[in-house]
Amino acid sequence: GQQVMQIPQYQHVQEGEDFTTYCNSSTTLSNIQWYKQRPGGHPVFLIQLVKSGEVKKQKRLTFQFGEAKKNSSLHITATQTTDVGTYFCAGSAGNNRKLIWGLGTSLAVNP
Amino acid sequence: DGGITQSPKYLFRKEGQNVTLSCEQNLNHDAMYWYRQDPGQGLRLIYYSQIVNDFQKGDIAEGYSVSREKKESFPLTVTSAQKNPTAFYLCASSIVGTYNSPLHFGNGTRLTVT
Repeated sequence: GQQVMQIPQYQHVQEGEDFTTYCNSSTTLSNIQWYKQRPGGHPVFLIQLVKSGEVKKQKRLTFQFGEAKKNSSLHITATQTTDVGTYFCAGSAGNNRKLIWGLGTSLAVNP
Repeated sequence: DGGITQSPKYLFRKEGQNVTLSCEQNLNHDAMYWYRQDPGQGLRLIYYSQIVNDFQKGDIAEGYSVSREKKESFPLTVTSAQKNPTAFYLCASSIVGTYNSPLHFGNGTRLTVT
């Protein structure tokens, strides 16, 4: 079945360092969404990418959707302690609009 | 403020008892969802509903039941048939559009069954 793999599972960085999480799908995706879940909290929608090769930025966060629409990445420049949490990608394929979730990347930031 | 309210935040039950988790939204969203999250796991879909009086099974519906009698409400019952009910349960809602619309999540209910 359709799978979305997310790497790395964990990432520990020093404050100020950059961070990237990658999402890879076994099939071509119609769109991909990114969510952030703070410890003890609930997922919060960050962004949706729809077009091949799309790049979107939100302040220090850069989101990319691959040309083949099979992979995506989230890059955080100069991490801050407020970036701590788990970042999830979720995509859907074809006419099946059900979201398939990655297992998430947990980010820890040392002050 | 519009949002999704899940109650209670923490719930404790004895094995063999059914328990109902509440989810109410005032976002006027047509679609509502129930997800289960276990430690170190992603989100797994239990049930979803795109319109009142209609709902579909997700990937792990066994041992769960839902109803959608009102647009605003989508309660989830965890039955005694669910083998491993202890988990973090998240309710979400979205509009129904061309692409997957962003999910708005409630704060979740942590269910512990002993």
